Amino acid sequence: DGGITQSPKYLFRKEGQNVTLSCEQNLNHDAMYWYRQDPGQGLRLIYYSQIVNDFQKGDIAEGYSVSREKKESFPLTVTSAQKNPTAFYLCASSIGQGQAGYTFGSGTRLTVV
Amino acid sequence: AQSVTQLDSQVPVFEEAPVELRCNYSSSVSVYLFWYVQYPNQGLQLLLKYLSGSTLVKGINGFEAEFNKSQTSFHLRKPSVHISDTAEYFCAVRNNNAGNMLTFGGGTRLMVKP
Repeated sequence: DGGITQSPKYLFRKEGQNVTLSCEQNLNHDAMYWYRQDPGQGLRLIYYSQIVNDFQKGDIAEGYSVSREKKESFPLTVTSAQKNPTAFYLCASSIGQGQAGYTFGSGTRLTVV
Repeated sequence: AQSVTQLDSQVPVFEEAPVELRCNYSSSVSVYLFWYVQYPNQGLQLLLKYLSGSTLVKGINGFEAEFNKSQTSFHLRKPSVHISDTAEYFCAVRNNNAGNMLTFGGGTRLMVKP
């Protein structure tokens, strides 16, 4: 079955460390997105990519970086510059002109220890 | 810029009672509309969507939503809820003139009580 896979499901980071969250899709979707979710704050867009080798900042890109070297993969790095990284991170993908909406991964919960 | 407002952050309801989760959007052009459900520690799943045609849309798990263009609303309803419907629900809008990006509402937590 096609889908979008995020790994790991749980991730612990020490202060000052960079960590990378994986997002892989086998849906042949062109666009991919990263969202951050905090309690009571809904979804906030971090980065998105409409095509390979191109990506755009979302509303809260500071302290994060991404790459899009392959259509299937859109990893997110949470850098030490992100002062409050503890959150639930969601990856999504979409195709064409958006009639199908987004397909979401199951999320990664990042905790700073 | 378009926006999506979910008027209730939390909706408590007893099991087997009907429920309506409200969603209003701001857009001057035609839109695609979506409702997603999120169970704890999981991603979002598509419940239903409106693209065109009939304004009453039926989705999974017995949910339905009605598109009202004049009121720019897309409220989600279920005639009889179950404990298992306890989750966070998100309304989303795609502006047909803005590529394939979705704008999400802030979410409504549905709490079904026995």
